[in-house]
Amino acid sequence: DAGVIQSPRHEVTEMGQEVTLRCKPISGHNSLFWYRQTMMRGLELLIYFNNNVPIDDSGMPEDRFSAKMPNASFSTLKIQPSEPRDSAVYFCASSFENSNQPQHFGDGTRLSIL
Amino acid sequence: AQSVTQLGSHVSVSEGALVLLRCNYSSSVPPYLFWYVQYPNQGLQLLLKYTTGATLVKGINGFEAEFKKSETSFHLTKPSAHMSDAAEYFCAVRGSGGYNKLIFGAGTRLAVHP
Repeated sequence: DAGVIQSPRHEVTEMGQEVTLRCKPISGHNSLFWYRQTMMRGLELLIYFNNNVPIDDSGMPEDRFSAKMPNASFSTLKIQPSEPRDSAVYFCASSFENSNQPQHFGDGTRLSIL
Repeated sequence: AQSVTQLGSHVSVSEGALVLLRCNYSSSVPPYLFWYVQYPNQGLQLLLKYTTGATLVKGINGFEAEFKKSETSFHLTKPSAHMSDAAEYFCAVRGSGGYNKLIFGAGTRLAVHP
C-alpha cells in the first residue's frame, strides 16, 4: 500500500520566495495533519483537517503560512514570503477519524531558506 | 488538557542490554497512547499503541510497553538492544476534542554502542 507521499523531499530557496509543500494522504483516510520539526522546538502541530475542512490552525506560526485541502487526496502548505527561520523538516500525516487509529507519516520535506 | 513527558532526551545502552524509555502522560479522557520511532531522514513510524484491553502491548522490532494507570506511565522496553534500534523515539497521547489529534512528547534519542 502506498503511504503518505510528500513532495518535494528537499527544497532550498532564497528568503522572500514562495514555498509550496505538497501531501497526498493514504487513500480512505479522512484526517490530515501538518507538522514542523526543528532541533529547537521539536515536533509542532501546525494545522489539521477533517473531511477536507480545517479544524484547528492554532499552530500556524503566522499569516505567512497557509494550508489548503481542496480534495480528499491532496493538501498543500504554503509559506509566502519565506524566511530563514522557517527552515525545518515539514511532515504530513493522515489517519482515519477514529481516535484509536494511529497517524501515518510521510517522509517529510526538508526546507532550507537561505 | 493532555500532555506527555519523556524522561531523558538521550539514552545510551550497550548492544544486547535492556532498553527502557520512559513516558508519563496526563489526560482528561481515557488515554490512547502511542510510541513512534524516527530513523534519520525519515518520518515517524508507529511502534505500538494502547487503546483498551490488555495493558501490556507488543509492537514491532521486539518492543513492548505497559500501560500503568496508577502511575500514568507508558514506558517502552526491549530486552536486548540491537545496533539498528538507534533512533529517536516519541511517545504520544490522544488529544481531546476528537479528530485523532495527538500530543507528542519531546522525544528520546537512543544510542546503541558495541
